[in-house]
Amino acid sequence: QLVLTQSPSASASLGASVKLTCTLSSGHSSYAIAWHQQQPEKGPRYLMKLNSDGSHSKGDGIPDRFSGSSSGAERYLTISSLQSEDEAAYYCQTWDTGIQVFGGGTKLTVL
Amino acid sequence: QLQLQESGPGLVKPAETLSLTCTVSGGSITNWGWIRQPPGKGLEWIGSIYNSGSTYYKPSLKSRVTISLDTSKNHFSLRLSSVTAADTAVYYCARHTPEPTSDAFDIWGQGTVVTVSS
Repeated sequence: QLVLTQSPSASASLGASVKLTCTLSSGHSSYAIAWHQQQPEKGPRYLMKLNSDGSHSKGDGIPDRFSGSSSGAERYLTISSLQSEDEAAYYCQTWDTGIQVFGGGTKLTVL
Repeated sequence: QLQLQESGPGLVKPAETLSLTCTVSGGSITNWGWIRQPPGKGLEWIGSIYNSGSTYYKPSLKSRVTISLDTSKNHFSLRLSSVTAADTAVYYCARHTPEPTSDAFDIWGQGTVVTVSS
């Protein structure tokens, strides 16, 4: 069964970097994912699509501070030079023959 | 720039059918999805429809969901029957990335709140 696992919470200091993880279930380590950001009281915003080889394509207007990488079944979202507006929930998404799956989300707190 | 706008009743009675429409402006109809978010919880995919006519639904909701496409009116719709309080959520429509991949959701609507209550 295709499942995405994310830690419920993370925190990092203003100006620092943080790396969020999304883990694909066993047997699905070659799958691409997408990362989405949801700021408080707002709808989600597409950040990027991230392939298993670490290549990624970002959405329009997404700052260079956001980058993605991959290792095995893990997909990462790294945010550098953290700003207050980065405090948000981050969701990963994947797909298989038309079925879409979301991870449970990671709530990022900027200290 | 393509924009999506959800519309529909904000209050639905238990056992009735929830009906929402997503209007597409600034672009043409391609491949689309509906996603919801219960209060305080994460995102849940409901289903998707492709311009080819194919539809895909979350298995646990499949018996209650219908998604349809009206290319002449540039909108697509969601119907969810026999609703209960568990269907209370913010409902989002979203676009799948353009062909040929058409996989991730890359444009989202702002969402509409639907409450199921008598």
